[in-house]
Amino acid sequence: KQEVTQIPAALSVPEGENLVLNCSFTDSAIYNLQWFRQDPGKGLTSLLLIQSSQREQTSGRLNASLDKSSGRSTLYIAASQPGDSATYLCAAHFSGTYKYIFGTGTRLKVLA
Amino acid sequence: GAVVSQHPSWVICKSGTSVKIECRSLDFQATTMFWYRQFPKKSLMLMATSNEGSKATYEQGVEKDKFLINHASLTLSTLTVTSAHPEDSSFYICSVSARGGETQYFGPGTRLLVL
Repeated sequence: KQEVTQIPAALSVPEGENLVLNCSFTDSAIYNLQWFRQDPGKGLTSLLLIQSSQREQTSGRLNASLDKSSGRSTLYIAASQPGDSATYLCAAHFSGTYKYIFGTGTRLKVLA
Repeated sequence: GAVVSQHPSWVICKSGTSVKIECRSLDFQATTMFWYRQFPKKSLMLMATSNEGSKATYEQGVEKDKFLINHASLTLSTLTVTSAHPEDSSFYICSVSARGGETQYFGPGTRLLVL
């Protein structure tokens, strides 16, 4: 069964800390993987899209990596700020399917 | 990537009424559109897939008569929640892709609250 898992479900860190969010998937045959941010009661914001052929993508203080062989992706946030507090979701598009499978998210709180 | 919008961003309605949610692909020919639903504290789950000009294909367990999907053009799909009930309260998100495309571009979502 194709699944996406995000651990931990919640994380609190002090401001300024570098942090890593984890996403694991059960099938290494993926087209691509996306990371999203969701603020409480708000919509999705796409952060980074990594294609199957790529190892990482960067946008500002965010860096996402993809290791298909181990079934893992990480989202690295540098110098975290209180404004980074949100739920971060990863979603994988597995080969041979037409839909994205989402993880349940990691709820991040950056303390001032 | 494509720019996708949804309207409204949130809606409150009375039980028994129908609600229409629009998904627009602003700069992309979206031959295929997808509708996902997010349950509280759970993952987003695909509800249905629609190709432009064709009937939607619904995932197992999704009532097609309750969640009406129309994909009349390459830039617009609508999801109508008919005779909405409190259990339909949820977060609905659309995504778009090109024909055969492996990448979906997601809209920001619409939050529905049925009283």
